[in-house]
Amino acid sequence: EPEVTQTPSHQVTQMGQEVILRCVPISNHLYFYWYRQILGQKVEFLVSFYNNEISEKSEIFDDQFSVERPDGSNFTLKIRSTKLEDSAMYFCASGTGLWQPQHFGDGTRLSIL
Amino acid sequence: DAKTTQPTSMDCAEGRAANLPCNHSTISGNEYVYWYRQIHSQGPQYIIHGLKNNETNEMASLIITEDRKSSTLILPHATLRDTAVYYCIVKGGTSYGKLTFGQGTILTVHP
Repeated sequence: EPEVTQTPSHQVTQMGQEVILRCVPISNHLYFYWYRQILGQKVEFLVSFYNNEISEKSEIFDDQFSVERPDGSNFTLKIRSTKLEDSAMYFCASGTGLWQPQHFGDGTRLSIL
Repeated sequence: DAKTTQPTSMDCAEGRAANLPCNHSTISGNEYVYWYRQIHSQGPQYIIHGLKNNETNEMASLIITEDRKSSTLILPHATLRDTAVYYCIVKGGTSYGKLTFGQGTILTVHP
């Protein structure tokens, strides 16, 4: 069964550094999402992306964050200048339509030191 | 999107059916009910979704009341591997696909 894959599984970065989290969505999917989950807290929506542009973003998704689909297969989340509070699990998801199920990857654990 | 209410935790014996309830009394006509689960710290896993009819797939059944104000996820023969946090999410309208996760129900399946 096709799946969403995320790399790396664990990223350790110094505060203030830039980090790029990578995702390969399921190949025929058109809608792409990033969520995050701080340890012990709820899964939170960050951003949705369709037709090469952001459809919706949350308040968390400020100017430090950006997303890109640089080619036909990858979907990336960049954090420009990381803060301690960016430490979390980051999940990528993809789907075929707005009301179709989203399928999630197993996440990247981001640890900011 | 409509708010959902779920019990904080539930227990179930292995091999028995697990029935997880969800209240969504403010659901509107074009909103779907989705169920996901999260095992330990893995990514959320899609289980099932429905609009107004009952649905069944290889993982579970979804029973939606006629007034659509509540639903029940049924895992027919729970196994230890079904121990997870289960999320009931209502989504539709102009949400552009965003899923809003609550705290969910922690289901513990006992031997």
